[in-house]
Amino acid sequence: GQQLNQSPQSMFIQEGEDVSMNCTSSSIFNTWLWYKQEPGEGPVLLIALYKAGELTSNGRLTAQFGITRKDSFLNISASIPSDVGIYFCAGQLLQGAQKLVFGQGTRLTINP
Amino acid sequence: KAGVTQTPRYLIKTRGQQVTLSCSPISGHRSVSWYQQTPGQGLQFLFEYFSETQRNKGNFPGRFSGRQFSNSRSEMNVSTLELGDSALYLCASKTGSGAEAFFGQGTRLTVV
Repeated sequence: GQQLNQSPQSMFIQEGEDVSMNCTSSSIFNTWLWYKQEPGEGPVLLIALYKAGELTSNGRLTAQFGITRKDSFLNISASIPSDVGIYFCAGQLLQGAQKLVFGQGTRLTINP
Repeated sequence: KAGVTQTPRYLIKTRGQQVTLSCSPISGHRSVSWYQQTPGQGLQFLFEYFSETQRNKGNFPGRFSGRQFSNSRSEMNVSTLELGDSALYLCASKTGSGAEAFFGQGTRLTVV
């Protein structure tokens, strides 16, 4: 089935550093979503992207919908301890069933 | 507006038993999707219901089933539980036409 390759799988950074992660696929998507999940909780929607090339911000978070429609990027600037968690990308395919396909997640750890 | 509510939060069942999980979507949302989350496999799509009809289905055995009621509430049933069914089961609701899905806190199922 369709797969999203999310990288990196994990990141260990210092507080204050910027973070970048991305998702790529061989399939074309019409929507990209980015979620954050904390221990014991469900994923929380951070950013939604609908158009190729779109750049959207939510506070210190910025995400982009790739021009090819096959990838997306998430950046976190000036990380703080509460950014710790697992970040997931999710895409809705341009064609076929309108279900979301999820990446494997990026686990973010921050050293204060 | 209340979020997605899943009950119960935690369950312990014995191998061979069956279990029913419940999900109440956000008011006005007609689509409910179910996901299984395990450390090794990530977020795996089980099925989606829209207006009481199964709209999409993932690659899970027939032991996993679901239904949706006229008020959009959904239940998921797993029969003949196996140890490998231990996971966090997440429910997500959306309006039905868009891609933005909002998750509940999940039900942690442990099969012993």
